Amino acid sequence: AQSVTQLDSHVSVSEGTPVLLRCNYSSSYSPSLFWYVQHPNKGLQLLLKYTSAATLVKGINGFEAEFKKSETSFHLTKPSAHMSDAAEYFCVVSSGNTGKLIFGQGTTLQVKP
Amino acid sequence: NAGVMQNPRHLVRRRGQEARLRCSPMKGHSHVYWYRQLPEEGLKFMVYLQKENIIDESGMPKERFSAEFPKEGPSILRIQQVVRGDSAAYFCASSPPSASSYNEQFFGPGTRLTVL
Repeated sequence: AQSVTQLDSHVSVSEGTPVLLRCNYSSSYSPSLFWYVQHPNKGLQLLLKYTSAATLVKGINGFEAEFKKSETSFHLTKPSAHMSDAAEYFCVVSSGNTGKLIFGQGTTLQVKP
Repeated sequence: NAGVMQNPRHLVRRRGQEARLRCSPMKGHSHVYWYRQLPEEGLKFMVYLQKENIIDESGMPKERFSAEFPKEGPSILRIQQVVRGDSAAYFCASSPPSASSYNEQFFGPGTRLTVL
């Protein structure tokens, strides 16, 4: 069975400093992994996805994530945080042929001026 | 191309009433997924439907909850005899016909159900 664990429930950074949101996955086969962002009282927006084409995945708004099979990790990074990045971030794995998504618990990113 | 649409955005019901949540997928999408987000939690899969078929309902509570995606019209998530524990945000997502685990799901803005 697939699952994801987000290692930090809250991350706080200063504007202009790097962002690191950590995610570990568990999967019995090569997974499809996603990062989604949710702004307050809004729907979810896809930041990026890994589908085995390349281990370093670039997404929108300067975010990227690296798939590391040996560490079963898919951490999300951004070189320089912006105030507008403050939101809830979800690491997600797709399960089986139906494509249903399994979400991590989420990480709240706070960006301080 | 309009995105996934959900209505109502906010729904208030008293205990024992029925709640009907509607979802119109993106144009050309024939796969619909429903997820529930309880306060301070991630989203949990409920049900996956294609037109006129329930493909996977492994996340649906056994009682009071049902879902449909008719040939015409939106997908409906129906909750009968609501209880306070049903208060949550319910999100619908859609994906293209060639569904696979690689496909991105496009999410609607959600319906926030409050049970008094």
